[in-house]
Amino acid sequence: GQQLNQSPQSMFIQEGEDVSMNCTSSSIFNTWLWYKQDPGEGPVLLIALYKAGELTSNGRLTAQFGITRKDSFLNISASIPSDVGIYFCAGPKTPGANSKLTFGKGITLSVRP
Amino acid sequence: ETGVTQTPRHLVMGMTNKKSLKCEQHLGHNAMYWYKQSAKKPLELMFVYNFKEQTENNSVPSRFSPECPNSSHLFLHLHTLQPEDSALYLCASSQVRGRGTGELFFGEGSRLTVL
Repeated sequence: GQQLNQSPQSMFIQEGEDVSMNCTSSSIFNTWLWYKQDPGEGPVLLIALYKAGELTSNGRLTAQFGITRKDSFLNISASIPSDVGIYFCAGPKTPGANSKLTFGKGITLSVRP
Repeated sequence: ETGVTQTPRHLVMGMTNKKSLKCEQHLGHNAMYWYKQSAKKPLELMFVYNFKEQTENNSVPSRFSPECPNSSHLFLHLHTLQPEDSALYLCASSQVRGRGTGELFFGEGSRLTVL
């Protein structure tokens, strides 16, 4: 089945630094979603991307839908301690079914004050 | 009440116990889901309900039994579980037709430990 690959599993950065994460797949996706999960909470949608090449921002977060439709990138600028958490990419198992998602394993981000 | 709420937040049970997880969504969505989150594994979709009808069961063992009495409530009944079933169980909802683009909104999860 479709798989989404996220690596590395963990990232450690200094407060104020920028960080970039990517997500790749061997299959084409028509939608890319980025979720963040705070410790002890459920995932929360950060950014949704619907078109190849699309670049979308949400505050200090910027995400891009790769033009091959097989990857996506999430950038966090000027990191702060509350950016700590697990960042998941996700995409629909079938086109148009944004609710039946395949998730990557997630990247755990640690921010040192 | 906001979003998707799950109870209990934490549950410890023995392998012979019967317990239930509850989920309630206050977003007016028409679809609800159960996901399992285990350490170092991707989120695994377990069940999907659209308009109270089960539309997906991802080969989940019968010791997990979902129930969706209406579009706002979802239960996961648990019986004779195994220690490897210990995980965070996440409920989610979405609007699968009409307004919105179908993205999932998650609850805070129920942390289950099976002894």
